Amino acid sequence: EAQLVESGGGLVQPGGSLRLSCEASGFTLSSYWMHWVRQAPGKGLVWVSHINSDESTTTYADSVKGRFTISRDNAKNTLYLQMDSLRAEDSAVYYCSRERRDSSGVRVAFDIWGQGTMVTVSS
Amino acid sequence: DIVMTQSPDSLAVSLGERATINCQSSQTLLYSSNNKNYLGWFQQKPGQPPKLLIYWASTRESGVPDRFSGSGSGTDFTLTISSLQAEDVAVYYCHQYYSTPYSFGQGTKLEIK
Repeated sequence: EAQLVESGGGLVQPGGSLRLSCEASGFTLSSYWMHWVRQAPGKGLVWVSHINSDESTTTYADSVKGRFTISRDNAKNTLYLQMDSLRAEDSAVYYCSRERRDSSGVRVAFDIWGQGTMVTVSS
Repeated sequence: DIVMTQSPDSLAVSLGERATINCQSSQTLLYSSNNKNYLGWFQQKPGQPPKLLIYWASTRESGVPDRFSGSGSGTDFTLTISSLQAEDVAVYYCHQYYSTPYSFGQGTKLEIK
């Protein structure tokens, strides 16, 4: 069964840093584009960043551009999100998600999600 | 950037009745080269991650009950639950993956009347 497990969340002061990890099991991470999506308490889903399968393409939401860095270690089957210069408004549950594509490379959907890891930015 | 707007924000439906949630995008989600709408629907229950229900606007994900269906094209889309069950109480989100930044609707909270 394909699964994603996030870790690395916690309490950090404004201006601090955290690195989130997302470990994949039941499938080969290197075959998939991957995403980070966040959800502030009681709020909706917000897309944060994505990375293609060979790490040659990364994209970020304007709200995190220049502060967050997405990366992957396909040998470890793990996705990362390095978060620097954290702000109170970055407080949220962070989910990693897999982007499924069909045999022609056409985007299908964000089909697998982890349980999420909570990040709280507060002094 | 594509803005996704859902209606209504909340909805109360009797068990066994039909529930309909609408989603409108600020730009077309129809990719002309393959005639696919890059629109998905998710269900999220408290304390759980989103669960994919529908992709390409109308294709049901494997394992999703057939009472869930999606329709629409271009900029206007609908999620329909044909006969509401107690376990369908949740927040539902539409999602565009046509272009970055990918975006979600604000969510529709579905409750039992």
